Amino acid sequence: NAGVMQNPRHLVRRRGQEARLRCSPMKGHSHVYWYRQLPEEGLKFMVYLQKENIIDESGMPKERFSAEFPKEGPSILRIQQVVRGDSAAYFCASSPGQDPSYGYTFGSGTRLTVV
Amino acid sequence: AQSVTQLDSHVSVSEGTPVLLRCNYSSSYSPSLFWYVQHPNKGLQLLLKYTSAATLVKGINGFEAEFKKSETSFHLTKPSAHMSDAAEYFCVVRVNSGYSTLTFGKGTMLLVSP
Repeated sequence: NAGVMQNPRHLVRRRGQEARLRCSPMKGHSHVYWYRQLPEEGLKFMVYLQKENIIDESGMPKERFSAEFPKEGPSILRIQQVVRGDSAAYFCASSPGQDPSYGYTFGSGTRLTVV
Repeated sequence: AQSVTQLDSHVSVSEGTPVLLRCNYSSSYSPSLFWYVQHPNKGLQLLLKYTSAATLVKGINGFEAEFKKSETSFHLTKPSAHMSDAAEYFCVVRVNSGYSTLTFGKGTMLLVSP
């Protein structure tokens, strides 16, 4: 039973390009969460999705960022027209449901560097 | 609303000595509390969790934490540090009411010297 799979592990983009980050949740998990970790900081919530639905995107920047979790395939976090400030580690986590006792299972992250 | 305060950004110990990483939380509702560990350039691994059962929680690698409601604390301890414990540790809270996500502390870097 593979864990949460994120790819790519490292991504380098020039300013103005698009970044697409992928996350495949654990088998049987239909809830996906994206977090961003800036240097010297803890993880900050970005967005929570269930299959085909965005449940909470209160942590997403209003512009340039979007997320989806289609019926088939991985969840995608998309950043358009990247800027240097987008450089960070982006972590995806999944859980089997909303029960607060569930800990999340995290992926290894995608480290985005904008040059 | 919920929040987490990790009282130390860095903790240094010698191998074989006890570890104490401090965490205080604030929550409007009954919380679930977690400790995660992150080794350099790695993902996060769940060490242990408290979800309203026993207040003393045992986790992996010899770590344990005690939920103290009166002190709103959830400190992480280990009797004897090992070099492989050197990593960053995050205290995390989630409220037990409806839908909620995890709220992370800023992390404590544990340094272990020989």
